[in-house]
Amino acid sequence: EAEVAQSPRYKITEKSQAVAFWCDPISGHATLYWYRQILGQGPELLVQFQDESVVDDSQLPKDRFSAERLKGVDSTLKIQPAELGDSAMYLCASSSRTGQEEKLFFGSGTQLSVL
Amino acid sequence: KQEVTQIPAALSVPEGENLVLNCSFTDSAIYNLQWFRQDPGKGLTSLLLIQSSQREQTSGRLNASLDKSSGRSTLYIAASQPGDSATYLCAVGHNTDKLIFGTGTRLQVFP
Repeated sequence: EAEVAQSPRYKITEKSQAVAFWCDPISGHATLYWYRQILGQGPELLVQFQDESVVDDSQLPKDRFSAERLKGVDSTLKIQPAELGDSAMYLCASSSRTGQEEKLFFGSGTQLSVL
Repeated sequence: KQEVTQIPAALSVPEGENLVLNCSFTDSAIYNLQWFRQDPGKGLTSLLLIQSSQREQTSGRLNASLDKSSGRSTLYIAASQPGDSATYLCAVGHNTDKLIFGTGTRLQVFP
């Protein structure tokens, strides 16, 4: 069964360092999402792509976060510089809308710890 | 602004019990509602998707209902098993494709 691939699985970094996460969605899925999930809370959308275009990045802290999906396939989320409050699970999801139905498929996430 | 609340925050039940998880939302103008399962340290798995025009969806021992007018959804799990232990999250979708998640219900089913 096709899956959303994410790497790395875990990342430990010191504050002020740069980190990058990678996501490869399910083949053929045009929509890709990056979510951030703080421990004990539900995921919050950071950025949504439709093909290579950003559809929604209203919750992305643009002073330190950036995201790209250059060829409309895989995507990279970067944080520079990382802060202690960035410690969280970063989840990537993809979907393929069929009519009104849109089911999201999530990757296993990248657990980020900022020391 | 849409707010999604899940009650209870945690639930512990013996194996075999039928149980109900609750989800409420403040803005009834939703496109759909999804229930997800999340195992510790893992990503989310979609369980059921209910369109705004539907009242319920069923998959195996799971049944989800939706009452848009009252801003509520329930996830019913029949004959619970230890393997059902996980966090269950509901999320409401709007026509912008953006999902708003609740904070989840952490379920433990003990033998």
